[in-house]
Amino acid sequence: GQQLNQSPQSMFIQEGEDVSMNCTSSSIFNTWLWYKQDPGEGPVLLIALYKAGELTSNGRLTAQFGITRKDSFLNISASIPSDVGIYFCAGPLTQGGSEKLVFGKGMKLTVNP
Amino acid sequence: EADIYQTPRYLVIGTGKKITLECSQTMGHDKMYWYQQDPGMELHLIHYSYGVNSTEKGDLSSESTVSRIRTEHFPLTLESARPSHTSQYLCASRGAIRRHSPLHFGNGTRLTVT
Repeated sequence: GQQLNQSPQSMFIQEGEDVSMNCTSSSIFNTWLWYKQDPGEGPVLLIALYKAGELTSNGRLTAQFGITRKDSFLNISASIPSDVGIYFCAGPLTQGGSEKLVFGKGMKLTVNP
Repeated sequence: EADIYQTPRYLVIGTGKKITLECSQTMGHDKMYWYQQDPGMELHLIHYSYGVNSTEKGDLSSESTVSRIRTEHFPLTLESARPSHTSQYLCASRGAIRRHSPLHFGNGTRLTVT
């Protein structure tokens, strides 16, 4: 079943506004990943976090690996229309000797010009 | 940029037909995955493979089957398509270098069964 709780589920914002989203889990993760999916495309990796407390930026995007290892957040500053899409958090989970990547349910972002 | 390709991009097919969704990657990745994405956005793992001749079922039960005869190729087959199979199917791969290497996704196949 789903291991990651991602919120909010959707956001409608004006161009230029900042966006914040987060992901929490009852399990400890050693890696947090943030993906973006453009309409009609597959998800693309935005940021990868490998260390608790790590704060990483990629242009207008900033993501942090929570110190408890059970959460992560992603911020987008000064949003632009091309930020529209679905944002997923993800993390690897080992179950029964095999490692799988589990995803949040996604956050659909709409940016009004 | 990831080199993972899915064909076809769109497929409309009648009930009862057999279909194969193709997925190929040129990165030499051992691990490959198939996800089903419902209209509500959520990604569900339906199959995965850790190498040639290795296939496992994912978290979501699926009537599809997969094969992994070559490292670069991971096709998904539906023997008899039904309207309930209508969905977006995403293929992904990753290497096993260090830490957890991220997934690279294809652009997906949007399947409609009428």
